[in-house]
Amino acid sequence: ETGVTQTPRHLVMGMTNKKSLKCEQHLGHNAMYWYKQSAKKPLELMFVYSLEERVENNSVPSRFSPECPNSSHLFLHLHTLQPEDSALYLCASSQDAGLRDTEAFFGQGTRLTVV
Amino acid sequence: AQKVTQAQTEISVVEKEDVTLDCVYETRDTTYYLFWYKQPPSGELVFLIRRNSFDEQNEISGRYSWNFQKSTSSFNFTITASQVVDSAVYFCALSGPGTYKYIFGTGTRLKVLA
Repeated sequence: ETGVTQTPRHLVMGMTNKKSLKCEQHLGHNAMYWYKQSAKKPLELMFVYSLEERVENNSVPSRFSPECPNSSHLFLHLHTLQPEDSALYLCASSQDAGLRDTEAFFGQGTRLTVV
Repeated sequence: AQKVTQAQTEISVVEKEDVTLDCVYETRDTTYYLFWYKQPPSGELVFLIRRNSFDEQNEISGRYSWNFQKSTSSFNFTITASQVVDSAVYFCALSGPGTYKYIFGTGTRLKVLA
């Protein structure tokens, strides 16, 4: 298997639930990212990990908690979400965290609906 | 501040027509990078092209071509002889030194009708 794989593809959860999104990359990259894509809004960078260390956290509410146990895996733990958190959550990876001159590879995303 | 504007929210064309997707960017950096991505219905963003600020040569790849003009801060994308498989959302993005971010535009949804 190659590329960036995200599971689950779809998730419906209540506001009191706890769930986790998983991302796995098979590209040997050192950097991984979580993006949020809401309707009619630009993609929002949420978190960046470089060599398993978080290097950027864009004022994301604490109900979103990332975890990067190794350079191939990235999780996004969710708890007590709000309906406005419903969106497509995209994971990406790149060779290094300096995205400036390298492209990122994206997974297919997890479509999250909070009810 | 950095910003990317894709003013065209949605474009519909008939198959075999040519179509140009506009991208205008703002940055104070002298070194920066511009990107185009395609997002088909399956969801993942697919990388199409990267261009650095010192390379204003236009690029052609099959039916795709890109026109980078620093004078107008634009990086437009043209699809020649469009096909139904080109239907997707296309994103323009910008990155610069000292940042981990892409700055994405809001995307242009392209519908190619058979």
